[in-house]
Amino acid sequence: GIQVEQSPPDLILQEGANSTLRCNFSDSVNNLQWFHQNPWGQLINLFYIPSGTKQNGRLSATTVATERYSLLYISSSQTTDSGVYFCADDVSSGGSYIPTFGRGTSLIVHP
Amino acid sequence: ETGVTQTPRHLVMGMTNKKSLKCEQHLGHNAMYWYKQSAKKPLELMFVYNFKEQTENNSVPSRFSPECPNSSHLFLHLHTLQPEDSALYLCASSQEGGGDEQYFGPGTRLTVT
Repeated sequence: GIQVEQSPPDLILQEGANSTLRCNFSDSVNNLQWFHQNPWGQLINLFYIPSGTKQNGRLSATTVATERYSLLYISSSQTTDSGVYFCADDVSSGGSYIPTFGRGTSLIVHP
Repeated sequence: ETGVTQTPRHLVMGMTNKKSLKCEQHLGHNAMYWYKQSAKKPLELMFVYNFKEQTENNSVPSRFSPECPNSSHLFLHLHTLQPEDSALYLCASSQEGGGDEQYFGPGTRLTVT
């Protein structure tokens, strides 16, 4: 079954709008990270957040490990925020933990 | 700049060719990873090396052969690939394998003709 599920799959915003991206886990949260992949394929670390809340400028993230989800908040979005946002966690598989990515949220911010 | 570099950035190869992808990390990490990202699919873990030892092979076909000569360098040797192997290949590193924040290189975009 799906172990790391992201929503929404696609999001279109007008510059200046706020948004919330969600990541659900079917197993316990172990090593949660949020990434932004730019149009050239580079994955940029946004947050390492297995639990709690962190903020970095216009971005913030909250992980509620007991309820197996994490949220990424983008405030006052800018065109440079466009790209794909991934969450990832270590998922138990055959006695070991495998880094597993969600399918991503594709964000387009229009000027 | 994440501290992880990959070469080449783009590669076109025929199905009978042999080529290698290179990854180098300048972060002092001990674990390195290869991922495959195909169009419309999530990133798939291929291999994990921890302190130069392979700790994960995620059922990858033998036409992909990894090599980790030291903790800073990781190679992916390619031979007799198929067109469906065309993808973005991403390298990552972390302080140790498992339970650590990963940092990614810019990727090699591979096209198999």
